[in-house]
Amino acid sequence: EIVLTQSPTTMAASPGEKVTITCRASSSVSYMHWFQQKSGTSPKPWIYDTSKLASGVPDRFSGSGSGTSYSLTISSMEAEDAATYYCLQRSSYPLTFGSGTKLEIK
Amino acid sequence: QVQLTESGPGLVHPSETLSLTCTVSGFSLTGYSVYWVRQPSGKGLEWMGRMRYNGDTSYNSALKSRLSISRDTSKNQVFLKMNSLQTDDTGTYYCTSRYNYYFDYWGQGVMVTVSS
Repeated sequence: EIVLTQSPTTMAASPGEKVTITCRASSSVSYMHWFQQKSGTSPKPWIYDTSKLASGVPDRFSGSGSGTSYSLTISSMEAEDAATYYCLQRSSYPLTFGSGTKLEIK
Repeated sequence: QVQLTESGPGLVHPSETLSLTCTVSGFSLTGYSVYWVRQPSGKGLEWMGRMRYNGDTSYNSALKSRLSISRDTSKNQVFLKMNSLQTDDTGTYYCTSRYNYYFDYWGQGVMVTVSS
């Protein structure tokens, strides 16, 4: 099983600040997916195939990485970006999620 | 448009079996795969299993001995059955699709409480 380790676990960012969330895999994966979840709602696809933005996702978000290290970056934090973000690998079964990064607005 | 809707009991007693249904619209189960994901209360996401478009299934090994996923293509429904439920199975259960890409559409989730 591929274990995904997200960091940080929680963080707070000021409006306009650049934010980077990292997801490290215990073995190499081909792609990484990211989901945004706000309290009481279903997860939303956010970034797929490492760097492609899902429909409706603002272009201040970007994804990058390869092998065992991937990241989600927000170029300029906005209040609406406060949420929990999860990474997902689909390179091998069982599919596994990271434990999540809770991002708050300062 | 693509929609997934979970349904099932909100309360299950310990040691009993959970039965959930995911009803899909906007696509055919013979063309696209459906997955089950759960989220224990206040915790992260866990992939449970998959019903592939060709009828093949895959399961999370941690749940495999208790879990069964099936479908009725004529009704556009995918079923999840999990036995021997315990309190740590309490949480929200989602079905999700691989339509354009992995987990691109999600149901609203169904909250399941395991309690006597």
